[in-house]
Amino acid sequence: DAKTTQPTSMDCAEGRAANLPCNHSTISGNEYVYWYRQIHSQGPQYIIHGLKNNETNEMASLIITEDRKSSTLILPHATLRDTAVYYCIVRVANNAGNMLTFGGGTRLMVKP
Amino acid sequence: DTEVTQTPKHLVMGMTNKKSLKCEQHMGHRAMYWYKQKAKKPPELMFVYSYEKLSINESVPSRFSPECPNSSLLNLHLHALQPEDSALYLCASSTDRDFGRTQYFGPGTRLLVL
Repeated sequence: DAKTTQPTSMDCAEGRAANLPCNHSTISGNEYVYWYRQIHSQGPQYIIHGLKNNETNEMASLIITEDRKSSTLILPHATLRDTAVYYCIVRVANNAGNMLTFGGGTRLMVKP
Repeated sequence: DTEVTQTPKHLVMGMTNKKSLKCEQHMGHRAMYWYKQKAKKPPELMFVYSYEKLSINESVPSRFSPECPNSSLLNLHLHALQPEDSALYLCASSTDRDFGRTQYFGPGTRLLVL
């Protein structure tokens, strides 16, 4: 699986958009970008995933660059409850041999 | 119901004890996982069960023994652990054989080995 690079930590003001970047310059054509987050003392939670096109769901938006070498997770109106570690994971879908491999993640602190 | 439950929430055990961690899901998922997470580190995969059979063992020491008695339950039997095994143990599940598809995680069992 392609390696990902994320900033160690970020701050965001409550009510503002949180934009979390992820670099995956060695991504292959059949690898998806997944985002999970882990709120303190809880298990990780799936947020969103995508291949080429931008994706949006009730939690967030995922913007993938045209060359697919980087992506941005957007939380449109961050709340204090969005404070968590956000993991960007790149992997091949529909392949039982490919696990979720968590990297270091970005620790997002949403401040009042 | 999209919930994975884990018991106990906290566990303290001595190095000579035998204990078990339990995980349960009722989403009809046929893949279940154990992860280990040390403080301020990302989760690390330990075991994967697919259709109640052990599919992946990430070179985990034999003092950790997984068991999948049926499609809804996953156990992790602990024996003769070391203090460095103290960690958060997470259970997860997902549909069928694509182990990277959306995984649903439980809240974890926080284990302290004395």
